[in-house]
Amino acid sequence: GAGVSQSPSNKVTEKGKDVELRCDPISGHTALYWYRQSLGQGLEFLIYFQGNSAPDKSGLPSDRFSAERTGGSVSTLTIQRTQQEDSAVYLCASSLVGVYNEQFFGPGTRLTVL
Amino acid sequence: GQQLNQSPQSMFIQEGEDVSMNCTSSSIFNTWLWYKQDPGEGPVLLIALYKAGELTSNGRLTAQFGITRKDSFLNISASIPSDVGIYFCAGNSGTYKYIFGTGTRLKVLA
Repeated sequence: GAGVSQSPSNKVTEKGKDVELRCDPISGHTALYWYRQSLGQGLEFLIYFQGNSAPDKSGLPSDRFSAERTGGSVSTLTIQRTQQEDSAVYLCASSLVGVYNEQFFGPGTRLTVL
Repeated sequence: GQQLNQSPQSMFIQEGEDVSMNCTSSSIFNTWLWYKQDPGEGPVLLIALYKAGELTSNGRLTAQFGITRKDSFLNISASIPSDVGIYFCAGNSGTYKYIFGTGTRLKVLA
């Protein structure tokens, strides 16, 4: 079946603008995660959704970052008033819940803030 | 946030050589995962391990769940140029959250 998809694949924006990043998880996966990956670095956890609820938002770096999930499916990560330090690859992953909860990643959105 | 220690950080090997890398944690895990990330792509799941001592293969890749449950190992046999990339481990202690390793960057010299 289809994997995790993300859009756009690349986004270039000017400092101060708002951006929205979209994630379509694997059908049937109730858990959804957002990560940030700076160039050559590891994965930085941002937020976890179970269904439409976000029980763990502990990784969001500031109140400029927010995310929502609707219908237990699509999720949107919004960054307001973007800053240059927000430039990174934003990765989305989804999983089942339970013992076999391996995370499957999308291709990522590369965000560049000029 | 917390990250697992992966070793080595990077390695250059000749095509045809075998590769070994490992991941260690201060915590006990119930699940270990190994991913490969190509440039410009998201991580792709290679192998999942669920039981201490478990040895699982996927083609030329073999991974082991350490008996102490605090480490895991990935071996690649007879490396080829397309093995180049960053390999990440990830561990889970029974919750929703995976802790990811710092990554091992593999470069294969033809």
